[in-house]
Amino acid sequence: GAGVSQSPSNKVTEKGKDVELRCDPISGHTALYWYRQSLGQGLEFLIYFQGNSAPDKSGLPSDRFSAERTGGSVSTLTIQRTQQEDSAVYLCASSLAETGYSNQPQHFGDGTRLSIL
Amino acid sequence: DAKTTQPNSMESNEEEPVHLPCNHSTISGTDYIHWYRQLPSQGPEYVIHGLTSNVNNRMASLAIAEDRKSSTLILHRATLRDAAVYYCILRDRNYGGSQGNLIFGKGTKLSVKP
Repeated sequence: GAGVSQSPSNKVTEKGKDVELRCDPISGHTALYWYRQSLGQGLEFLIYFQGNSAPDKSGLPSDRFSAERTGGSVSTLTIQRTQQEDSAVYLCASSLAETGYSNQPQHFGDGTRLSIL
Repeated sequence: DAKTTQPNSMESNEEEPVHLPCNHSTISGTDYIHWYRQLPSQGPEYVIHGLTSNVNNRMASLAIAEDRKSSTLILHRATLRDAAVYYCILRDRNYGGSQGNLIFGKGTKLSVKP
């Protein structure tokens, strides 16, 4: 079956521009996560959506970062006024409903490699 | 979530078994032990998880110590495709809803020699 799909796979942009990264989760998965991975580093949590609940934004590094999830499916991560330190691989993951038991495996896309010149 | 400790790297020969250790001495009674792996240029991939009993699936086996302070991921016959970074992660099963994100450490980089 189809896995988590992310687009674009690569994005190169100039410092100061805005970028939008898209995540299409597995159908039926109500939980959606965004992470980022800087070169040679572990994954850093950014934001979490669960159904219609308010998202957990506790991992967003600055107010230049925002994310939406429309219709409980596709999500878009937006970075405004990009900086060079934003260069990283941005990963999206989805899972079945996480309602009290953290027992559901997360399924990851292959990420968007973002390079800020 | 409690902290885990893994060796930075390990080597294996193709078609031999691999035992990847993980120490989690501060594990709580409600922590599940999850393993993920990340192949080069790909997103992480779920491997296996367990709570107290040993677990087997098509990818691997998970052996959990009786005191739960350590666990071992077992790949029964390593292939070249198994070369990846393997992450051992603890997740509290009673996290309360909004804190389900995975906390990845450095993991173990597994190299497989032909």
